[in-house]
Amino acid sequence: QKEVEQNSGPLSVPEGAIASLNCTYSDRGSQSFFWYRQYSGKSPELIMFIYSNGDKEDGRFTAQLNKASQYVSLLIRDSQPSDSATYLCAVIGSGTYKYIFGTGTRLKVLA
Amino acid sequence: NAGVTQTPKFQVLKTGQSMTLQCAQDMNHNSMYWYRQDPGMGLRLIYYSASEGTTDKGEVPNGYNVSRLNKREFSLRLESAAPSQTSVYFCASSVGSSNQPQHFGDGTRLSIL
Repeated sequence: QKEVEQNSGPLSVPEGAIASLNCTYSDRGSQSFFWYRQYSGKSPELIMFIYSNGDKEDGRFTAQLNKASQYVSLLIRDSQPSDSATYLCAVIGSGTYKYIFGTGTRLKVLA
Repeated sequence: NAGVTQTPKFQVLKTGQSMTLQCAQDMNHNSMYWYRQDPGMGLRLIYYSASEGTTDKGEVPNGYNVSRLNKREFSLRLESAAPSQTSVYFCASSVGSSNQPQHFGDGTRLSIL
């Protein structure tokens, strides 16, 4: 069973701090990795995707991928209360285009 | 640009009733997906359609059927609703190649009594 694991949280950080969200996956052949943000009662919203080892930056968000260690992380710099949400990690495994989602990490940014 | 549109947004059914959830996308995407989301369970794939004319089972297909009506529309049918199918249902679409992101509709909140 291919799995994607996330700490459910909540992860609490003060406003202005860096929030670090982590995700591990079991399928070593996975090629594509996505981070979604989901506000309570809303649908998942794509934040970032990453395909290659290393870092990818987009504004206050940085995705980091380490295929050797099979983890992907999302850093949120200068965290704002509006960043408070559940963050879902999704992985496309080898030989498929189906997502496998983690259960999400709930982030709380304290004003 | 509406993206992915789901109807209805809310529905209450009685056990044994049938219902079809509708999904349409206007992004010219090839692939479409139906998920359910339950507390603590994350998003689980029910059925997907890689392209017009094809459908395949996902992780939790029992009790559901789907129809890919055309490239734009992908419907999910509950033939005989059960309380265990109470959930939030999301439709998503993507270009279709293996590394492309999926875009989600607003969801349908379904309660079965």
